[in-house]
Amino acid sequence: QVQLVQSGAEVKKPGASVKVSCKASGYTFTSYYLHWVRQAPGQGLEWMGIINPIDDTTNYAQKFQGRVTMTRDTSTSAVYMELSSLRSDDTAMYYCARTGVVIPGDPFDIWGQGTMVTVSS
Amino acid sequence: QSALTQPPSASGSPGQSVTISCTGTSSDVGGYNYVSWYQQHPGKAPKVIIYEVRKRPSGVPDRFSGSKSGNTASLTVSGLQAEDEADYYCSSYAGSYRTYVFGTGTKVTVL
Repeated sequence: QVQLVQSGAEVKKPGASVKVSCKASGYTFTSYYLHWVRQAPGQGLEWMGIINPIDDTTNYAQKFQGRVTMTRDTSTSAVYMELSSLRSDDTAMYYCARTGVVIPGDPFDIWGQGTMVTVSS
Repeated sequence: QSALTQPPSASGSPGQSVTISCTGTSSDVGGYNYVSWYQQHPGKAPKVIIYEVRKRPSGVPDRFSGSKSGNTASLTVSGLQAEDEADYYCSSYAGSYRTYVFGTGTKVTVL
């Protein structure tokens, strides 16, 4: 079945970096964009950015520019999100989610299970 | 990009209707017919229930409906059921290169 499977929970110290993976299966990897969305405990959803698996093109939300890097590996149908200079307020559940490539405003129709990142000294 | 504005909470008795608003700007909600709504139960990933303002994915009950006027979109849940108790988020395409923005979220309680 169509699914996105993410890597496991992480605990990091302030100032460190974290890299979360999202592996796609059940569909053609290059036929959908992949996004990263985060949710702090008890808070709302926050769009972080998008990666085009075809050509590695990215677009990051202004808030994360300079701190986030999204990459992809077509050989394993996986995308990665690396967030650097971690702070306590980066503690959140991080989700990957896909959208179609044809319609610009396609919805996020498949979501990963989420990866909890905890930043604590 | 600023988050879209939703009321923090809404409630209704079983069988009643509840409507949630989602207010943005002409750069997102008002500029595109690409508003989506997501339902999120505790500890679960969000699930799309409305896309392109008013379309429902296969399997989503027709009790869920969407609309838009100007810079404000709305989600109506008719015939409330216990399983509708969840957090609801709107999302809008915001132009540029596939930029999106989410709403602040609304907790729906079934009394």
